[in-house]
Amino acid sequence: SQELEQSPQSLIVQEGKNLTINCTSSKTLYGLYWYKQKYGEGLIFLMMLQKGGEEKSHEKITAKLDEKKQQSSLHITASQPSHAGIYLCGADNKAAGNKLTFGGGTRVLVKP
Amino acid sequence: DVKVTQSSRYLVKRTGEKVFLECVQDMDHENMFWYRQDPGLGLRLIYFSYDVKMKEKGDIPEGYSVSREKKERFSLILESASTNQTSMYLCASSLKGFRGPHNEQFFGPGTRLTVL
Repeated sequence: SQELEQSPQSLIVQEGKNLTINCTSSKTLYGLYWYKQKYGEGLIFLMMLQKGGEEKSHEKITAKLDEKKQQSSLHITASQPSHAGIYLCGADNKAAGNKLTFGGGTRVLVKP
Repeated sequence: DVKVTQSSRYLVKRTGEKVFLECVQDMDHENMFWYRQDPGLGLRLIYFSYDVKMKEKGDIPEGYSVSREKKERFSLILESASTNQTSMYLCASSLKGFRGPHNEQFFGPGTRLTVL
C-alpha cells in the first residue's frame, strides 16, 4: 500500500519568515492533494498536483511536485498567524471511489 | 459551495453504548468517506461508499459499520463503543472519478467523540 511521509512533524516559525513542508511517497503519485486543517476542525482543500514538475500557487502558498512524482513540497512565503494549523498531504491511489492516503500531518505555529 | 455537515461537534458516550455519527452533503456527490484522526497516526480511512447502499472497508473497519440509504447521507455506527474509539471523526465527500481526472474530497467539521 502507498505510504506518505511528511516532514517536519511540527515547526514554529517567526511571522514574516518562509517555511517549507515536504511530503514523500513510497510509490509514484497519481495525484497529490494538499489540505490545511485548523485545530479541531475539518480539512480545507488547498491545491492538487498531477503532473511531474508541476507547480501551483495560491496567494502566498506554493506547492510543487517533483519530476519523478514521488515528492511534493509546500512552501509558504512571509508567513502570517493565519497560516497556523496542520497541513496534510493526501495521495490518490487510483482505486474506485477516489480513496486518499494521508500523511501524518505537519503542525505549523506562527509566532507574532 | 459544497457543504458537508456532521450531526455533532462533540459527543460523550459510555463504553458499550451504540453510537451513530451522521454526515450529510448537499452537492450530489457519489463518494462519501469516514476517517478517524488521532495524534501521530494522521487520518485513517474507516469506510467509504461510492453509491447508495454500497460500502467498502477502509484501512481500519473493525468495530465500525456504516449505512448509506440515501445519496446525501452516510452514517457511521459504533455498535458497542470502546475507549479506544475515542477520536476525532471526519466525514468527506467527492464526485465520482469518471466525471473528471481528479476530484478533491470536501470535509465536514469533524466530531470529537469521547468514550468513557
